[in-house]
Amino acid sequence: AQSVTQLDSQVPVFEEAPVELRCNYSSSVSVYLFWYVQYPNQGLQLLLKYLSGSTLVKGINGFEAEFNKSQTSFHLRKPSVHISDTAEYFCAVSDESAGGTSYGKLTFGQGTILTVHP
Amino acid sequence: EAGVAQSPRYKIIEKRQSVAFWCNPISGHATLYWYQQILGQGPKLLIQFQNNGVVDDSQLPKDRFSAERLKGVDSTLKIQPAKLEDSAVYLCASSLNYGSGGAADTQYFGPGTRLTVL
Repeated sequence: AQSVTQLDSQVPVFEEAPVELRCNYSSSVSVYLFWYVQYPNQGLQLLLKYLSGSTLVKGINGFEAEFNKSQTSFHLRKPSVHISDTAEYFCAVSDESAGGTSYGKLTFGQGTILTVHP
Repeated sequence: EAGVAQSPRYKIIEKRQSVAFWCNPISGHATLYWYQQILGQGPKLLIQFQNNGVVDDSQLPKDRFSAERLKGVDSTLKIQPAKLEDSAVYLCASSLNYGSGGAADTQYFGPGTRLTVL
């Protein structure tokens, strides 16, 4: 079984400051990794994904994440946040192995609420 | 390209009543997912369709929840009878093709239906 832990439920930060949202996962198989953002009263929007290749992944809105296999982490970073980045962020994993029991199924973390203050 | 469409956006019912949600996936996407997102938690997969067949419904409370995807396009999720603990946002997502691996499995989400059971 897979699991995802987002280490911070809430992260307050001032505008133009850097931010890191932490995500650790547990899985017995190789995984794909995703970060989604959810603005109030909206669905989830894909920020970025790691499927293979370079461990540093760049996404939309200036976000990036680094896959660290040894630490089973996929932390999300942005060097300078804006007020408009205020939202809830979800880390998710899916099984990479075709035919695996969790293949195609996203397992989500509990979410991190990022609040950007002026 | 049009995204995933869902309706209604909001629904308020009393316990023991029935309710139905509708989802229209992105054109050409063979795989459709229904998730339940309880306040303060990450989404949890209820059911996954590949075309009009069920791939995974292991977390669907089958005594009260049902879902169908006739003709492999639109889908409906029904709850009958509803309980207080069913209050949640119901998210529909679609992906290009389950089992192709990687980018083809990336899931795109609709805006969700917020259900309140009184």
